[in-house]
Amino acid sequence: GAGVSQSPRYKVAKRGQDVALRCDPISGHVSLFWYQQALGQGPEFLTYFQNEAQLDKSGLPSDRFFAERPEGSVSTLKIQRTQQEDSAVYLCASSLEWTANTEAFFGQGTRLTVV
Amino acid sequence: AQSVAQPEDQVNVAEGNPLTVKCTYSVSGNPYLFWYVQYPNRGLQFLLKYITGDNLVKGSYGFEAEFNKSQTSFHLKKPSALVSDSALYFCAVRALSGGSYIPTFGRGTSLIVHP
Repeated sequence: GAGVSQSPRYKVAKRGQDVALRCDPISGHVSLFWYQQALGQGPEFLTYFQNEAQLDKSGLPSDRFFAERPEGSVSTLKIQRTQQEDSAVYLCASSLEWTANTEAFFGQGTRLTVV
Repeated sequence: AQSVAQPEDQVNVAEGNPLTVKCTYSVSGNPYLFWYVQYPNRGLQFLLKYITGDNLVKGSYGFEAEFNKSQTSFHLKKPSALVSDSALYFCAVRALSGGSYIPTFGRGTSLIVHP
C-alpha cells in the first residue's frame, strides 16, 4: 500500500506477556517515529529513527520498551512484561526527510489492551 | 521542556460559519508548527505547517493558520465550515530541545460542525 501500515490493529495481552508491534513505513521514508496515545490525549513521543539509527529514545517509559529498525525500513516496538498502564494506542509515523520541518504520515495505530 | 496547549476540548460551529481551533505553544528556540486532523478510524493526516516566512499559512481543504510569535500561538482557521470538517484536530510543535527535535502534540480539539 501507499501509506504507513501497522499490525496488528488490535492486541489483547495478559499482564506479564511480551508483545511486538510492527510498522511498515512509506517506502523511501528516512525518519520513523513511535508514539503512545492514551484515551483523550494527544500522541506522546516514544522514540525516533533516522534510517536504521535510533537517534532519540528519551520518551520510552521504561526499560521494558524496546524499538528497532534493523534495515532502515520496517520497525518493531516490543514491550516486555506488559502492565495495565501500557494499555494505549501505539502510533507509527514516517517522514520523507530527516529535517525537523518535514511533516509526518501516520498509520492507523495498534490498540493494545492489557488485561 | 516544550509544550503545546489546545485550550478547548470541543468546538461547535454551524455549517457556513467561520471556525477557529486554538493552539498555543512554549519552546526555547524557533518552532516548526503543524496541524493534523484525525477522522474516525483513520490515522492522523497532515493539514499544514509553519516553517518560516509568511505568518499566514494555507493548507489542505481550505484551512489556514496564523503564526503569532509574540502570542506564541498558531490558531487554525477556515472561513466557512463544512459538516465534513467534523473531526479531531491536533496541533504539534518541533523545536530544538536537549539537542533533539522531539515532536510534541496537544491533546486535541474535537470540531463539530452542525448542519
